[in-house]
Amino acid sequence: QQPVQSPQAVILREGEDAVINCSSSKALYSVHWYRQKHGEAPVFLMILLKGGEQKGHEKISASFNEKKQQSSLYLTASQLSYSGTYFCGTEYDYGQNFVFGPGTRLSVLP
Amino acid sequence: NAGVTQTPKFQVLKTGQSMTLQCAQDMNHNSMYWYRQDPGMGLRLIYYSASEGTTDKGEVPNGYNVSRLNKREFSLRLESAAPSQTSVYFCASSQMRASGGPTDTQYFGPGTRLTVL
Repeated sequence: QQPVQSPQAVILREGEDAVINCSSSKALYSVHWYRQKHGEAPVFLMILLKGGEQKGHEKISASFNEKKQQSSLYLTASQLSYSGTYFCGTEYDYGQNFVFGPGTRLSVLP
Repeated sequence: NAGVTQTPKFQVLKTGQSMTLQCAQDMNHNSMYWYRQDPGMGLRLIYYSASEGTTDKGEVPNGYNVSRLNKREFSLRLESAAPSQTSVYFCASSQMRASGGPTDTQYFGPGTRLTVL
């Protein structure tokens, strides 16, 4: 069952912040975030496990809210290099198939 | 290290033709995957191989077959191509999942852009 991502697309100016959400109707075991630049392969950003964990990678961080069955990706002071499509991938239980969401297209303008 | 390589990069087929997409990884990973990517649909799993000698169906396996030739190589075959199989195909690999742990980081190849006329 594919997770839901919102928004579908967002346009920012350099330096602005953005939040991308990934939600599920089922209890989540883990959430993975990937970024794909146009014409390239997806690249791993981070993994979060159930337990309300929050992780960060420079100015990109994420949280995992078990009660809401949702993960949010936070992009702070966005840079031009942040442009791309962000995918969350979810597992609903240990051993279940990993499923990617439909993606959120992020465009950062100068 | 080349990481994950895929051949060919582009391919145009006519309906009914067959072809094999090749994938190889040099990271000594146990698990390998084939995805297709269509606009607005994200990445959908076609088949995966958790370890050498095993293969399993993913979300959209119809019309495809796979072969895990050895630990390095995982091929995807279209026996009779259809226009609905026009897509970008990505191969990925990862370490074997640790017991009790989440699916490990997946490393993707550059993709094959396939058009079926």
